[in-house]
Amino acid sequence: GENVEQHPSTLSVQEGDSAVIKCTYSDSASNYFPWYKQELGKGPQLIIDIRSNVGEKKDQRIAVTLNKTAKHFSLHITETQPEDSAVYFCAASAVEGGGADGLTFGKGTHLIIQP
Amino acid sequence: DTAVSQTPKYLVTQMGNDKSIKCEQNLGHDTMYWYKQDSKKFLKIMFSYNNKELIINETVPNRFSPKSPDKAHLNLHINSLELGDSAVYFCASSHKGPRTFGSGTRLTVV
Repeated sequence: GENVEQHPSTLSVQEGDSAVIKCTYSDSASNYFPWYKQELGKGPQLIIDIRSNVGEKKDQRIAVTLNKTAKHFSLHITETQPEDSAVYFCAASAVEGGGADGLTFGKGTHLIIQP
Repeated sequence: DTAVSQTPKYLVTQMGNDKSIKCEQNLGHDTMYWYKQDSKKFLKIMFSYNNKELIINETVPNRFSPKSPDKAHLNLHINSLELGDSAVYFCASSHKGPRTFGSGTRLTVV
């Protein structure tokens, strides 16, 4: 089955700086890669996703890049703000949207924005 | 509001008890899920269910069982609760797209 590794487990950056979270996956059939943000006391929320026919996708301060050959994808947050503090999860699936049970999550990165 | 809602938000109970967590979605999604999040924040799929198929993660003890009265509801029943069942349980739903998660139920077994 799919295995998703996520690094780092904790990331502390100064407000205004950029943050990068990296994930690798094992199944070459995976073609859908969402990122979720989980704030304290809440459920994970989708913030951006990318499909394997695209190398990069951007949404305001958030961007995701995908390297299919190397089987890794990354989340980039620029001009970080205090409200970016949360746990971020990457995931991978061979079915768009994740299918019935085919979405494999990374173990999460606790992002801390220092004022 | 359109959402995935689960109740209760907090549940404290004694070992050996049987309890249920309810989940409802009004998004018109056809697939619902239960996830367990442990103290290290790791998200583990327990079940996925649509009106045709129940897929069970084989590592889930048979003390856990999903019950779906209709497409908008997927409740989680847990029998003979154990200390190790303490965690946050998330319900989610989807329809050929990304999953929408509920806000979680924190279960504490004492």
